[in-house]
Amino acid sequence: QSALTQPASVSGSPGQSITISCTGTSSDLGSYNYVSWYQQHPGKAPKLMIYDVSYRPSGVSNRFSGSKSGNTASLTISGLQADDEADYYCSSYTSTNWVFGGGTKLTVL
Amino acid sequence: QITLKESGPTLVKPTQTLTLTCTFSGFSLSTSGVGVGWIRQPPGKALEWLALIYWNDDKRYSPSLKSRLTITKDTSKNQVVLTMTNMDPVDTATYYCTHKYCSGGSCYYTFDFWGQGTLVTVSS
Repeated sequence: QSALTQPASVSGSPGQSITISCTGTSSDLGSYNYVSWYQQHPGKAPKLMIYDVSYRPSGVSNRFSGSKSGNTASLTISGLQADDEADYYCSSYTSTNWVFGGGTKLTVL
Repeated sequence: QITLKESGPTLVKPTQTLTLTCTFSGFSLSTSGVGVGWIRQPPGKALEWLALIYWNDDKRYSPSLKSRLTITKDTSKNQVVLTMTNMDPVDTATYYCTHKYCSGGSCYYTFDFWGQGTLVTVSS
């Protein structure tokens, strides 16, 4: 069982917006603003999309945004594109180690 | 340009010790704040963080695997080595080497560069 809880799947049509949630506890995600989101296409290594809850690394589209409230973080993807179809993982740093979510499969209809 | 590449056996037997090497370029593990970590992913399953070593030789381990893991670095060779003892079929996974993100003099608790991964199968 993963430390952080994500929905197994979400879907949306091109152009729409979707949100993926990531729920932890007050001991991990709720206590630290060190939430990251990764995108993983089949057979590829994960790609960092969001760090420190809401910051995008250079080169990541501004269609990707992150937020956090209490013990739940969220990744929002606006203007869905076909290439956004992938698995998404959240992660949180917990002062000594990192924990990941179980992953969410995004399907672009 | 930062690159990382994992190397090691593709097949190990149960109870054996796994040794994986991460060879990297584009940064130095002697620079303040820099860290290199290992993350694994069983086939069709989620990512799992394993360990990380910092430039100052500070080491962090997954609490659930700490007794089985050892991470070391060889700064002169630009390599980080992960050993995992007492391998079991449930340890079958793709193992990734990762770079802890640093930019503009600041470092963050996330991983910006990943190796291609190496699939390790545990089977007799």
